[in-house]
Amino acid sequence: RKEVEQDPGPFNVPEGATVAFNCTYSNSASQSFFWYRQDCRKEPKLLMSVYSSGNEDGRFTAQLNRASQYISLLIRDSKLSDSATYLCVVTGGGFKTIFGAGTRLFVKA
Amino acid sequence: DTAVSQTPKYLVTQMGNDKSIKCEQNLGHDTMYWYKQDSKKFLKIMFSYNNKELIINETVPNRFSPKSPDKAHLNLHINSLELGDSAVYFCASSQNKEGNEKLFFGSGTQLSVL
Repeated sequence: RKEVEQDPGPFNVPEGATVAFNCTYSNSASQSFFWYRQDCRKEPKLLMSVYSSGNEDGRFTAQLNRASQYISLLIRDSKLSDSATYLCVVTGGGFKTIFGAGTRLFVKA
Repeated sequence: DTAVSQTPKYLVTQMGNDKSIKCEQNLGHDTMYWYKQDSKKFLKIMFSYNNKELIINETVPNRFSPKSPDKAHLNLHINSLELGDSAVYFCASSQNKEGNEKLFFGSGTQLSVL
């Protein structure tokens, strides 16, 4: 089993749609959780951290379920500019930062 | 000012050559990393240095040798390049080594081995 697994995608959605990405992790000792965004041929950039209580940043909502070892990202009112790859990131044992393979999102007009 | 800068952006070379990629961060961070992103877009850690000391060394061929002359610089030297080394290499930095803070990435070096 991979340490961090994500929905394979790609997700093709119209503008204005709500889309949700899921991610599971295998190491129950994982401590920190993040969503990064990577545009084509660019470097990954932090989108948001994920907290047990859940957190929201504008149209983006992240949730963490430690019992199920599950992380989610919800994007409301999708924009064309949201088209990118979304990477689920977890700190594993030994303080390593582990990236999921990413979920590709295409938002179309 | 660019926070994490790496050079070159593109590197095209022949099999068997030796090449280096340089990375510098001006964020005052203690920890720097090298990541490899292959054609399947999977981003995998290679090395991590904290204050010039190696703290993570994943299963990477010993043809890859990182060097950190000071905590603001982490260079990657690759000997005897192989076709399978073709990938995008990202340098990154973070404030601490615990991995619970966000990573700042350089813009990547696309290495093509012919």
